[in-house]
Amino acid sequence: GEDVEQSLFLSVREGDSSVINCTYTDSSSTYLYWYKQEPGAGLQLLTYIFSNMDMKQDQRLTVLLNKKDKHLSLRIADTQTGDSAIYFCAESMNYGGSQGNLIFGKGTKLSVKP
Amino acid sequence: DVKVTQSSRYLVKRTGEKVFLECVQDMDHENMFWYRQDPGLGLRLIYFSYDVKMKEKGDIPEGYSVSREKKERFSLILESASTNQTSMYLCASSPNDRVGPQHFGDGTRLSIL
Repeated sequence: GEDVEQSLFLSVREGDSSVINCTYTDSSSTYLYWYKQEPGAGLQLLTYIFSNMDMKQDQRLTVLLNKKDKHLSLRIADTQTGDSAIYFCAESMNYGGSQGNLIFGKGTKLSVKP
Repeated sequence: DVKVTQSSRYLVKRTGEKVFLECVQDMDHENMFWYRQDPGLGLRLIYFSYDVKMKEKGDIPEGYSVSREKKERFSLILESASTNQTSMYLCASSPNDRVGPQHFGDGTRLSIL
């Protein structure tokens, strides 16, 4: 079945770039999403990319999509301690009865060291 | 701005109680979802709804039911709470369009004693 895989942990130093990677299996996914979850809070939508795009940039965030390899990445430039959180990758489901359903990875915990 | 509100941030109940978790969205979204989040297991979909009075089972519906009497409100019901239902519960909503990202509430941390 469909699956979304992410590494569980990433540690970087403040000011460095962070790259969080994700692989997915459903080649018919229309949209792919990145969410951020701070401790004790819900998931906050960070950005999303349409499957016919290769890249999307939004301030410090850059999303890269390699559709051939089914690989999605989120780059955070100039990482700050406030970026410490869990980051979830998600893909849209596109078969019968699944309108609006997403498949989530298990999340990557980003730790930013001062 | 998008707003999904869950009625409680923290809740403590006893085994066997009937527990109601409420979720309200103000974006006129058609779709609403209930997840639970546990360490190491990520988000697991319990139930979802595409429209008023409609409901669909997710991946782990056992021990839960839902109610959607109005478009803006989606309730999760634990019929007889058990300790293995101690978890973080997240509600989300999304519009019925192609982009349709889900928007989440702040979550309810439920403890069953």
